[in-house]
Amino acid sequence: AQSVTQLGSHVSVSEGALVLLRCNYSSSVPPYLFWYVQYPNQGLQLLLKYTSAATLVKGINGFEAEFKKSETSFHLTKPSAHMSDAAEYFCAVSGPNTGGFKTIFGAGTRLFVKA
Amino acid sequence: DARVTQTPRHKVTEMGQEVTMRCQPILGHNTVFWYRQTMMQGLELLAYFRNRAPLDDSGMPKDRFSAEMPDATLATLKIQPSEPRDSAVYFCASGLGTSGGAAETQYFGPGTRLLVL
Repeated sequence: AQSVTQLGSHVSVSEGALVLLRCNYSSSVPPYLFWYVQYPNQGLQLLLKYTSAATLVKGINGFEAEFKKSETSFHLTKPSAHMSDAAEYFCAVSGPNTGGFKTIFGAGTRLFVKA
Repeated sequence: DARVTQTPRHKVTEMGQEVTMRCQPILGHNTVFWYRQTMMQGLELLAYFRNRAPLDDSGMPKDRFSAEMPDATLATLKIQPSEPRDSAVYFCASGLGTSGGAAETQYFGPGTRLLVL
C-alpha cells in the first residue's frame, strides 16, 4: 500500500527565507504526487502535482517540488517566504496501489512566517 | 470560476439529532469525495463516488453515516444519530477521473463545520 510521510508538523521561517517542506512516500510503483495548501477556514487547493513527466514541478505562488525516486521524496520549496504563505501544506500520493481513485494525504505541515 | 459549494457552512446541533450536509460538485466532474478533518485525526476519507456510484465507503461508520448522490449535481452526507465525537469539518471535493485510474486533481469545497453538543 502507498503512504506518505511529512517530516515536521510545524515549520517556522522568516519572511524572505527559503521554505522547505519535506515529504517522503512509499510506493512499489511510480506514484502520482501532489502538494495541496489549506488557508485558515478554507478547503484545500492544489499547489502542484507530479505525473511522471518532468521531475521538477513548478506550481502556483512560486512553489516548486522535485521528485527524487532514489530518495522516495517530493519536497516542496520556495526561495523566498512571504507572509501570505502561512498556511497548512499537505503532501499526497495516488496511483494504482491506493485503491483506484483514492488519494492518500499526509498529516500536514503548518508553515509559520515571521516578519 | 467553477467551485464546489457546500451547505451549510456551519452547523450546531445536539447529540442524537440528524445532520445532513450537501455538496454541489463542479459541473462536469465525475468523482466526488467526502472527507472529515479533525485536529487529532487529520484528513480522513469517508467515501467517494464515481459517476454517482459509490466506490468506497470503508472510512465511514456505517451504523450512523450514509452518503448518496441523488443526481450528478448533488451529493449528501447524513449522520443519524449524531454524537459529540462527530464534531469536525467535513469537506466535499470533486474531480474529473479517467477510466485508467490516473489520479485527478481534487477541488475542495469550503467545508461544513459541525459541532455536536
